[in-house]
Amino acid sequence: GAGVSQSPSNKVTEKGKDVELRCDPISGHTALYWYRQSLGQGLEFLIYFQGNSAPDKSGLPSDRFSAERTGGSVSTLTIQRTQQEDSAVYLCASSLVAGPATDTQYFGPGTRLTVL
Amino acid sequence: AQSVAQPEDQVNVAEGNPLTVKCTYSVSGNPYLFWYVQYPNRGLQFLLKYITGDNLVKGSYGFEAEFNKSQTSFHLKKPSALVSDSALYFCAVRVVKGGKLIFGQGTELSVKP
Repeated sequence: GAGVSQSPSNKVTEKGKDVELRCDPISGHTALYWYRQSLGQGLEFLIYFQGNSAPDKSGLPSDRFSAERTGGSVSTLTIQRTQQEDSAVYLCASSLVAGPATDTQYFGPGTRLTVL
Repeated sequence: AQSVAQPEDQVNVAEGNPLTVKCTYSVSGNPYLFWYVQYPNRGLQFLLKYITGDNLVKGSYGFEAEFNKSQTSFHLKKPSALVSDSALYFCAVRVVKGGKLIFGQGTELSVKP
């Protein structure tokens, strides 16, 4: 079946511009996670959704970052007034539920964001 | 706080030899441990996980991992390495509440013919 998809695959933007990154989870998966992968920081958790609510936003680095999820499916990560340090690969993952025993997170291919 | 450490940035192995990629963890409570692999310009692919039960966990592509509670380790192993196993490997521990993954820094595995 179809896996997690993300768009765009690559995004180049100028400093100060806003960007939107999209994630389509595996059909039927209720939990959705955003991570960021950068050379200096490794793989970092950003936010997760259970359904349309976000119980844990603790990884969002600043108030320039926000995310939403609608209809329990597609999620959008928005970065306002981008900075060069936002350059990274943004990974999305989904899982059936957010419970430990059954929950394997499956990752999308990522969006590579470059801020000039 | 929960954490994962991968002590080796790079592991080099000859094709056909056994490979081990090391991972140690620090958690309060029961550990839920995962291994993922990342090929160049690709997302993370799930290999295997330890939730409970047998200490030896078998996963995809012939990989297995051994959970050792006394040593707080979860090393990834394969009896005979392939050149195609060359990739970046991540160990992760899952936070119970909510389920976010905390990753190690990754280990680059290079298998030479």
